[in-house]
Amino acid sequence: ETGVTQTPRHLVMGMTNKKSLKCEQHLGHNAMYWYKQSAKKPLELMFVYSLEERVENNSVPSRFSPECPNSSHLFLHLHTLQPEDSALYLCASSQVGPPSSYNSPLHFGNGTRLTVT
Amino acid sequence: EDQVTQSPEALRLQEGESSSLNCSYTVSGLRGLFWYRQDPGKGPEFLFTLYSAGEEKEKERLKATLTKKESFLHITAPKPEDSATYLCAAANAGNNRKLIWGLGTSLAVNP
Repeated sequence: ETGVTQTPRHLVMGMTNKKSLKCEQHLGHNAMYWYKQSAKKPLELMFVYSLEERVENNSVPSRFSPECPNSSHLFLHLHTLQPEDSALYLCASSQVGPPSSYNSPLHFGNGTRLTVT
Repeated sequence: EDQVTQSPEALRLQEGESSSLNCSYTVSGLRGLFWYRQDPGKGPEFLFTLYSAGEEKEKERLKATLTKKESFLHITAPKPEDSATYLCAAANAGNNRKLIWGLGTSLAVNP
């Protein structure tokens, strides 16, 4: 497989469920990201794992918990979600250089469409 | 405050009718201006990166240009398969790991 793959493509869960989203990248990149995409809003960065360091968006609720066991795999653990968490969750990867360097592009998976009932 | 604004919000063209999409940005120390294409039900697909004013890049019917305040995505003689949402994002010098995203332009090309 090539690129960034996400599973599952669709997920429906109740507010009391616990589920996990999975992402795998085959590009040899050293950084992985979780983004949330909602209608009429810009892409929202949730978490970044870069060079084995986790960077968080402090506005992300604790009901979202990321895990990055290695540079190729990324998980997003979900528990006690709210209906407003329904959205498209996108995983991305990139190659990150020194802090003073220019950004390289993100490469996205096709996302998981999450519906919370 | 860093900001990216895309216009128009939606654009409908006839096949062959050339046009341009705009991405205005206000960021401190641009570290890259990115264009993506997103089809329904899919993730954004990378198109171009521009790093400095005056830079241009082309791919098939698409051409991206950059000034100190804005970027344009020119679409020459579009085809129905060019229909998609086009997203623009800018990286600033302060936080290289976080992009500032626009809301996108939804393009529809009628045959």
